[in-house]
Amino acid sequence: LAKTTQPISMDSYEGQEVNITCSHNNIATNDYITWYQQFPSQGPRFIIQGYKTKVTNEVASLFIPADRKSSTLSLPRVSLSDTAVYYCLVGEGGNTPLVFGKGTRLSVIA
Amino acid sequence: DGGITQSPKYLFRKEGQNVTLSCEQNLNHDAMYWYRQDPGQGLRLIYYSQIVNDFQKGDIAEGYSVSREKKESFPLTVTSAQKNPTAFYLCASSIGGVGETQYFGPGTRLLVL
Repeated sequence: LAKTTQPISMDSYEGQEVNITCSHNNIATNDYITWYQQFPSQGPRFIIQGYKTKVTNEVASLFIPADRKSSTLSLPRVSLSDTAVYYCLVGEGGNTPLVFGKGTRLSVIA
Repeated sequence: DGGITQSPKYLFRKEGQNVTLSCEQNLNHDAMYWYRQDPGQGLRLIYYSQIVNDFQKGDIAEGYSVSREKKESFPLTVTSAQKNPTAFYLCASSIGGVGETQYFGPGTRLLVL
């Protein structure tokens, strides 16, 4: 499995756009990039998944450059309720379980 | 109302005691997982199961046991061999292979008395 590297923590003010970058230099051809969000004392929940270029849903956008060695999760106009840990995972969706690293702890400040 | 349920929400274990954490899903998912999370840390995989009557060890299986007798159920037993069991335990399921998107339960917090 491709290893991922994310910043340990980030701070942002309410209303700002937050971009969390994940490095995955050894990503394989069949690997997808998936992001999860975890609030304190809850299980993680799926946010977004992509393979290349850009994916957008009602929660976030995911930007993946052509070489796919990194990806950026973009959260538009964050609010206090976006304070959580965000995990970047890379895998092919086959028979090998995905690996959750330590994630990025985002703190949104009023 | 589909989803994953875990019980109990809090569980207390005495020294030398085995305890079992329940995980049930009505999503008709094939794969199920158990993770352990320590404060400020990420999730570590304990066991996973792709089909009924089959399961594999994850990264930290020592001191734990599981069974998968029914598709919807994947109970985890924390045995007395697990010397540091205090943690937040999360169960998840996915529709296909174990690398697919996972859906998590609310978790069980295990404390040692």
